[in-house]
Amino acid sequence: AQSVAQPEDQVNVAEGNPLTVKCTYSVSGNPYLFWYVQYPNRGLQFLLKYITGDNLVKGSYGFEAEFNKSQTSFHLKKPSALVSDSALYFCAVRAIVFTGTASKLTFGTGTRLQVTL
Amino acid sequence: ETGVTQTPRHLVMGMTNKKSLKCEQHLGHNAMYWYKQSAKKPLELMFVYSLEERVENNSVPSRFSPECPNSSHLFLHLHTLQPEDSALYLCASSQDLRGLPAFFGQGTRLTVV
Repeated sequence: AQSVAQPEDQVNVAEGNPLTVKCTYSVSGNPYLFWYVQYPNRGLQFLLKYITGDNLVKGSYGFEAEFNKSQTSFHLKKPSALVSDSALYFCAVRAIVFTGTASKLTFGTGTRLQVTL
Repeated sequence: ETGVTQTPRHLVMGMTNKKSLKCEQHLGHNAMYWYKQSAKKPLELMFVYSLEERVENNSVPSRFSPECPNSSHLFLHLHTLQPEDSALYLCASSQDLRGLPAFFGQGTRLTVV
């Protein structure tokens, strides 16, 4: 069974500092990995994805994520945080091999990022 | 805006009421989804439709009844809900069942009183 772990309920960062939001996953075979962001009173917005290729994936709003197969991790990073980055961040995984059971995208519980001045 | 629109944005209903949530997408996508988002829990996939045919029903109570009249519209009919059904209900769509990422609507915040 697929699973995603986001070990931190909340991450606090000062504006201008680098940020990391952690994600580890478990899936049969090779994974598709995603990060979504949810701003208050909004739905989820796609940030970035990893399918194949470079382990460092660049996405929207200056975010990037590093795929580490040996550690089964896909941590979200940004070199310099902004107050406007404060939101709820979700990591998600799906097996690359499509078994026919819809697009079984499994989400983590979310990590709240709080960026302060 | 992601191209997926949900109405209403907020809904308060009594346990004996019947209401419906609506989702609309004009992205040309063939797959649509209902998710339930509760605090401190992973998003729960409720229903999946592909080309207007239900392809997945994840053990959702019968008080939730989906309807997909065409590939652009998805409904979630609600009746005799329980207070624990209070949550944010998110609709999403994707090109097809293989195609990701999914695009999400803003959600309907449902409160059952």
